[in-house]
Amino acid sequence: SAVISQKPSRDICQRGTSLTIQCQVDSQVTMMFWYRQQPGQSLTLIATANQGSEATYESGFVIDKFPISRPNLTFSTLTVSNMSPEDSSIYLCSVYEGGNTGELFFGEGSRLTVL
Amino acid sequence: DAKTTQPTSMDCAEGRAANLPCNHSTISGNEYVYWYRQIHSQGPQYIIHGLKNNETNEMASLIITEDRKSSTLILPHATLRDTAVYYCIVRVRPSNTGKLIFGQGTTLQVKP
Repeated sequence: SAVISQKPSRDICQRGTSLTIQCQVDSQVTMMFWYRQQPGQSLTLIATANQGSEATYESGFVIDKFPISRPNLTFSTLTVSNMSPEDSSIYLCSVYEGGNTGELFFGEGSRLTVL
Repeated sequence: DAKTTQPTSMDCAEGRAANLPCNHSTISGNEYVYWYRQIHSQGPQYIIHGLKNNETNEMASLIITEDRKSSTLILPHATLRDTAVYYCIVRVRPSNTGKLIFGQGTTLQVKP
């Protein structure tokens, strides 16, 4: 199974600033995803990170707010731009290796607090 | 992907079987039932999945009704470490998109 490392694991940021979260996988994976989990809530899919092309965003999420990069098959970044307190959440990276089970693996998440 | 309905919360005594139900009445023929769980402060973890036959692995059993409109995840001997939010998800597999759409899940509290 894929091992996923996210950095930072947590951070406290000021309103109006931006933060980039990194996701590193120990093997090449077919697909990478970014999720948001607001306090006390379930996970919401932000976007699918596509290698070498623009990410595919879910309804309610836009590239200007959550720019995503995926330069290769093992790495992706999510930037939370112009942050407000409403962006305080856990952001999780997830990967699909393409195996027969269809199983997704998740990182431990990056807990972001915006003051 | 089909929508699922789960109870918000459940309790279970340690050592007893935990039976977590899920309704997916609009499931289509090519959709699978997946179960994940999220232990506090961790990322979600895959448990099991199935199409129409009952499935069992080292973590749990999955019972799917004959009409496939509902299913039950069974943790045979629940421990305190099984306290988590359990998500039932229905989706096509293999999927070109690969993504999972999470509902609200069931919070299982295992009590000593």
